[in-house]
Amino acid sequence: QVQLVESGGGVVRPGRSLRLSCVVSGFTFSRYGMHWVRQAPGKGLEWLTVISYDGRDKYYADSVQGRFTVSRDNSRNTVYLHMNNLKPGDTAVYFCANNAFDFWGQGTLVTVSS
Amino acid sequence: DVQMIQSPPSLSTSVGDKVTFSCQASQDVGSSVNWFQQKPGQAPKVLIYNASILETGVPSRFSGTGSGTRFSFSITSLQPEDIATYYCQQYDYLPTFGQGTRLDIK
Repeated sequence: QVQLVESGGGVVRPGRSLRLSCVVSGFTFSRYGMHWVRQAPGKGLEWLTVISYDGRDKYYADSVQGRFTVSRDNSRNTVYLHMNNLKPGDTAVYFCANNAFDFWGQGTLVTVSS
Repeated sequence: DVQMIQSPPSLSTSVGDKVTFSCQASQDVGSSVNWFQQKPGQAPKVLIYNASILETGVPSRFSGTGSGTRFSFSITSLQPEDIATYYCQQYDYLPTFGQGTRLDIK
């Protein structure tokens, strides 16, 4: 069956960087775009970024443009979210999802705190 | 960015009731709208895509309508397991979510 498993979350100080990973199984990863979505504690869903199937096209929400970078390694069935200059407002559960949003990971919690 | 204004933010309801809530897009998004259900501690689950198409395996008491800028989502004969937060999302442009509607039991 389809599985998306995020990892890489944790507690990080403001200004530092973190890389999240999402490993996919159960569908042909290299054929589909992938999204990252986050949810701050007690808040709604916020779309962050999408990467095309081949990694050539990437789009970002204004809130993370210039600080976050999405990438993928189709040989590893993995999509990454590189997060730089983290701020307390980036504290959230980060989810990866497939192109149509019908498969999601369980999420990984990122806490930005001094 | 396309704004999705979802209302109401919360709704108290009873088992067996019909509930309806709405989403208004700040510009025409055609039928490119998903509706998600999210329970605490879980990832969102898509129930409706393309504004009105029921995802495989989703009970028929869930339905969606609309196009352009106005969309609605309904649950007929609410069941206890339907207590959750529901989100609309447009994907005609870069995706954006509504603020969510939280259902709870009266």
